[in-house]
Amino acid sequence: GENVEQHPSTLSVQEGDSAVIKCTYSDSASNYFPWYKQELGKGPQLIIDIRSNVGEKKDQRIAVTLNKTAKHFSLHITETQPEDSAVYFCAASKGNQGGKLIFGQGTELSVKP
Amino acid sequence: NAGVMQNPRHLVRRRGQEARLRCSPVKGHSHVYWYRQLPEEGLKFMVYLQKENIIDESGMPKERFSAEFPKEGPSILRIQQVVRGDSAAYFCASSPQDRRFGYTFGSGTRLTVV
Repeated sequence: GENVEQHPSTLSVQEGDSAVIKCTYSDSASNYFPWYKQELGKGPQLIIDIRSNVGEKKDQRIAVTLNKTAKHFSLHITETQPEDSAVYFCAASKGNQGGKLIFGQGTELSVKP
Repeated sequence: NAGVMQNPRHLVRRRGQEARLRCSPVKGHSHVYWYRQLPEEGLKFMVYLQKENIIDESGMPKERFSAEFPKEGPSILRIQQVVRGDSAAYFCASSPQDRRFGYTFGSGTRLTVV
């Protein structure tokens, strides 16, 4: 069945360093890949997304890359700040399923000042 | 310009009682999704609804769980005869018809079954 694997499960970096989170999906028909940030006690917040016709997308300190051949995509956060500390989730969906998202297991990012 | 509104934020139910979780989508959004998040886990899809229609309920348990999105009013996720294993955070999300802008999630309802 559909599956999204996310690594690492926890990640600790020093403030100012970069953080990279990787995801692999199983269904080659997936064509939409969002990333969500979830802070304690809150709902997931969309931070960036990419579609399968694009290989890379950047928004200030955040970038996402997609390798369709290998079926994996990654989140890159540069110049990390303490407020980046949260749980990050990747997800994948197929347009013809009406937007149902398959989520990864999450990465708890800790940015130490 | 309110986002997705979910209530209650916290709900405590005794085993065997019913739980009703409400979700009001972003104004103008016609698609609603429900997800469940168990402690220390990712979100699991439950159901996808449009107004008066269930589009995909492949993630809903076969028994005790139901969902609706009426023509007027919020979407409701209903859990009958709750058991301890139903304790989780339940998130609702909404999206516009063309879904180009992705989901907007609510803050969730944390259900505790005692």
